[in-house]
Amino acid sequence: KAGVTQTPRYLIKTRGQQVTLSCSPISGHRSVSWYQQTPGQGLQFLFEYFSETQRNKGNFPGRFSGRQFSNSRSEMNVSTLELGDSALYLCASSSNREGTEAFFGQGTRLTVV
Amino acid sequence: DQQVKQNSPSLSVQEGRISILNCDYTNSMFDYFLWYKKYPAEGPTFLISISSIKDKNEDGRFTVFLNKSAKHLSLHIVPSQPGDSAVYFCAAPRGNSGGSNYKLTFGKGTLLTVNP
Repeated sequence: KAGVTQTPRYLIKTRGQQVTLSCSPISGHRSVSWYQQTPGQGLQFLFEYFSETQRNKGNFPGRFSGRQFSNSRSEMNVSTLELGDSALYLCASSSNREGTEAFFGQGTRLTVV
Repeated sequence: DQQVKQNSPSLSVQEGRISILNCDYTNSMFDYFLWYKKYPAEGPTFLISISSIKDKNEDGRFTVFLNKSAKHLSLHIVPSQPGDSAVYFCAAPRGNSGGSNYKLTFGKGTLLTVNP
């Protein structure tokens, strides 16, 4: 069974640009969540999608958005990039059952210059 | 407000000895906890979990203990191996009305170094 796949692995963008990151969950998993990891803040929840609907959102500005497609694949978008958006962005997929763990992809390392 | 706390940023142990990683939480609504292991530039890998109906869960060299009254859990690794060197995160999921576990709240992690 293939794991969670995130593309691209690495990305360099300039301040003010926008970026789209992609995540393909484990087959059969309908919940996809996104996290930002930075050295100072650790792993922070961005948002979660289930059946193409955003069910939960973390405390991030509106520049961070996402969506989920009918095949459960998800994308997150960051507009008007700032230097502070440089981070490892992680996607996790899970089934919708209680007591189940989330499986993470390898992440996309975004560097904003 | 940090609801999941790992107060030790780092821990160094000798190969073959026990590693004990600690985690405290403040939200009494948390009823399920997970430990993840993370290498640099990779995603976290699920290690072990525990439900609040238990006080111990064991999987090979890894055992997690939960003390609900103290809102404290710990991960024991016995015996520790150099390959265990990584950052360990404690996490608690928050379900919503749908009942599933997601929206993980993570501690800041503990860097474990196992010396040969």
